Amino acid sequence: DSGVTQTPKHLITATGQRVTLRCSPRSEDLSVYWYQQSLDQGLQFLIHYYNGEERAKGNILERFSAQQFPDLHSELNLSSLELGDSALYFCASSANPGPLNTGELFFGEGSRLTVL
Amino acid sequence: AQSVSQHNHHVILSEAASLELGCNYSYGGTVNLFWYVQYPGQHLQLLLKYFSGDPLVKGIKGFEAEFIKSKFSFNLRKPSVQWSDTAEYFCAVNAGGSSNTGKLIFGQGTTLQVKP
Repeated sequence: DSGVTQTPKHLITATGQRVTLRCSPRSEDLSVYWYQQSLDQGLQFLIHYYNGEERAKGNILERFSAQQFPDLHSELNLSSLELGDSALYFCASSANPGPLNTGELFFGEGSRLTVL
Repeated sequence: AQSVSQHNHHVILSEAASLELGCNYSYGGTVNLFWYVQYPGQHLQLLLKYFSGDPLVKGIKGFEAEFIKSKFSFNLRKPSVQWSDTAEYFCAVNAGGSSNTGKLIFGQGTTLQVKP
């Protein structure tokens, strides 16, 4: 158990719909990262939040957005869903970024999204 | 931009065979290097990491990796694999030192299948 909690574990929805994925990081971690894992793209970095503020963006579509709340949990919002958005979405957390952080990420079990 | 390349996409071995998975990265500065493993249906777990010191790093479950700076490589090895090592293996890199943002860049992954 990594200490990172993601809900829901599975989600099936239709094209055009909107879903929200939730992540609770380890209790001591301020950083939350979202990754998308698909068969053709592998593990793609989407976005990083640190203590409520966006720190870095990766290959995140404009239809997707995220936020981190004061209690440090994070939500990834996916809207106008397309078939190609079907993937496993991982959340990960880590301690403070900076020179002393080796970057080890602790991953949740993922939310598997199926868009029909 | 950082990138990671894993040469073997799918490896099939018999139990007790030796394993070496290749990983090369592209980044000109100081790096931290990681190998993660994803067992079927589970989240990513850290196998081992390198951030400084001895370039030969030992991880969990008998795995080790060697950082060869001149070759930009961080190959994963295990002298004798077991059926339980069947999983997907990911090499990852992030910028080290003051450039570290915490964001990990992953390779495409290597699926290892160990036959009993």
